[in-house]
Amino acid sequence: SQELEQSPQSLIVQEGKNLTINCTSSKTLYGLYWYKQKYGEGLIFLMMLQKGGEEKSHEKITAKLDEKKQQSSLHITASQPSHAGIYLCGADNTGAGSYQLTFGKGTKLSVIP
Amino acid sequence: DAGVIQSPRHEVTEMGQEVTLRCKPISGHDYLFWYRQTMMRGLELLIYFNNNVPIDDSGMPEDRFSAKMPNASFSTLKIQPSEPRDSAVYFCASSDYRGQLYNEQFFGPGTRLTVL
Repeated sequence: SQELEQSPQSLIVQEGKNLTINCTSSKTLYGLYWYKQKYGEGLIFLMMLQKGGEEKSHEKITAKLDEKKQQSSLHITASQPSHAGIYLCGADNTGAGSYQLTFGKGTKLSVIP
Repeated sequence: DAGVIQSPRHEVTEMGQEVTLRCKPISGHDYLFWYRQTMMRGLELLIYFNNNVPIDDSGMPEDRFSAKMPNASFSTLKIQPSEPRDSAVYFCASSDYRGQLYNEQFFGPGTRLTVL
């Protein structure tokens, strides 16, 4: 089974709607990264969470880390077409830091104008 | 800065051929990572280097894969011989330690490899 599960696998929302993507780890979470990928391009760093209960925001994107649940959520408020892409979470499950990350398979987000 | 540069962007080859993927990390970064992305397995870490030295290659699938970093500004990932199941997008990423455990990894645009 996958060590890092992302849900949903894909999501289609109307522009202006809010949405949430979840990332659940089967192992202890020491750190959690969120990246965004557009087709044919590399990954763009969004944010990194280290401590349980930590919450970070960047523009209309907010991410939280629930250490006890071994889960992180990414919330987008008032979605725009520019938010479309694949969102990947990457986890540090060993305490080794950002040098040995395990990634989920991604959540494909489509935003309909 | 130009970011992480990878070449070629696309590679189509026949089974049994040797394939070499190239990466130029961001200047000054002391960590370099090679990843492979497929629909089935997602994004997987293959190997990473620190100051040109391979630190962990446990993700390299088999002996057909090898990676080198002869200097701080260049790395190669070689597959010899290539097989159809090696078809994937290969990403290179680099990072600057800065004395911190958690740092952003900067990804290149990837090389899409198709092995016929």
